[in-house]
Amino acid sequence: QVTLKESGPAVVKPTQTLTLTCTFSGFSLTTRGTRVNWLRQPPGKALEWLARIDWDDNDELYSTSLKSRLTIFKDTSKNQVVLTMTNMDPVDTATYFCAASRQLGPLDYWGQGTLVTVSS
Amino acid sequence: DIVMTQSPDSLAVSLGERATINCKSSQSILYSSNNNNYLAWYQQKAGQPPKLLISWASTRGIGVPDRFSGSGSGTDFTLTISSLQAEDVALYYCQQYYSPRLTFGGGTKVEIK
Repeated sequence: QVTLKESGPAVVKPTQTLTLTCTFSGFSLTTRGTRVNWLRQPPGKALEWLARIDWDDNDELYSTSLKSRLTIFKDTSKNQVVLTMTNMDPVDTATYFCAASRQLGPLDYWGQGTLVTVSS
Repeated sequence: DIVMTQSPDSLAVSLGERATINCKSSQSILYSSNNNNYLAWYQQKAGQPPKLLISWASTRGIGVPDRFSGSGSGTDFTLTISSLQAEDVALYYCQQYYSPRLTFGGGTKVEIK
């Protein structure tokens, strides 16, 4: 059974750095074609893809508009993928999801999401 | 980035009637070497994460009722719910995975008339 779970702070202050962890089970991020993605959804708005990391050690990719603020990395031994986002702003208030894809396909499996509010 | 445009933004359909959602990509998402359209549809109910309904434009996910169907190719795609049920009230999103940077449509809210 595949599961993913996001964890991190519920509230961050403007200008702070957000660190989110996706802990997964039921698959391996060393399997060819497997990817873990981070996405977000502001309240009442559409989904936005942020970043992904692949089974391949050096393959990571970021949203064009947010690239300068994002870092994604994995700890294969812990089955975790971490996303950091710097210089948080109230417009970054959203539910953040991690989701997995296999064989370079769609997002098969999703975590429940974690709501992050940016407020002083 | 590939832009995905969904229409309508919302629709209200009577129980048992057909609901149709359209999705258009700004460039073709048909990969010619394997003849696959890299298009997925997701259903998102209130307070829940999205759920994969359709992949490769027309392949239903495991356990997805057969009243859901996907069609289209190239740049124009459609999700059809053949007979709307109460449990189908949700937001529906299309998404392309042809480009490495995934992009989604703006979503369509489906309600009961």
